Amino acid sequence: QQQVKQSPQSLIVQKGGISIINCAYENTAFDYFPWYQQFPGKGPALLIAIRPDVSEKKEGRFTISFNKSAKQFSLHIMDSQPGDSATYFCAASNLWRGTYKYIFGTGTRLKVLA
Amino acid sequence: DGGITQSPKYLFRKEGQNVTLSCEQNLNHDAMYWYRQDPGQGLRLIYYSQIVNDFQKGDIAEGYSVSREKKESFPLTVTSAQKNPTAFYLCASSRDRDYNEQFFGPGTRLTVL
Repeated sequence: QQQVKQSPQSLIVQKGGISIINCAYENTAFDYFPWYQQFPGKGPALLIAIRPDVSEKKEGRFTISFNKSAKQFSLHIMDSQPGDSATYFCAASNLWRGTYKYIFGTGTRLKVLA
Repeated sequence: DGGITQSPKYLFRKEGQNVTLSCEQNLNHDAMYWYRQDPGQGLRLIYYSQIVNDFQKGDIAEGYSVSREKKESFPLTVTSAQKNPTAFYLCASSRDRDYNEQFFGPGTRLTVL
């Protein structure tokens, strides 16, 4: 019940296209859903996050869509650029033993072709 | 320039040796975390600390130890009891126990020879 399932494992998109990454969860106690971007050999950087009282959040080219009833959320990258090529992780968080514990998806390796 | 620093960037260890990974933050954050990242897997929580002189085990604490003697520092020791220590280790911090957002350091890649 603590898993977050992320798909696809890898994704290849043409420059200017839309990249879509999906995540699904089971635990309805999760109340914060961030997306992280990670370049090789670097730490993850927070990209965008959403709470379950909102169905969509947009920041620049990045949008999170959230479906509470289906327990799914997705990241859309509009006008994908070669510089977006990285690994993307979704996560879900809830209060656990006095701290906000993150459960991470297994990551999606995105490659944007020039 | 606020942030989280981890050192060293690369670390090589012989089997049977203990090694300590450094994590320092100047964000004035109360909470700090250690994660392990393996290829094809999500990050897994090793230990976390909400305040100085207090820390708790995460999901995969066996073979690891930590200390939190100063607010800005949360070192992780990988002991010889850790059966498969080769991994990418990430330190993170959060403003306090009531704040969700976690910020990550650049990581330390540990290789056991």
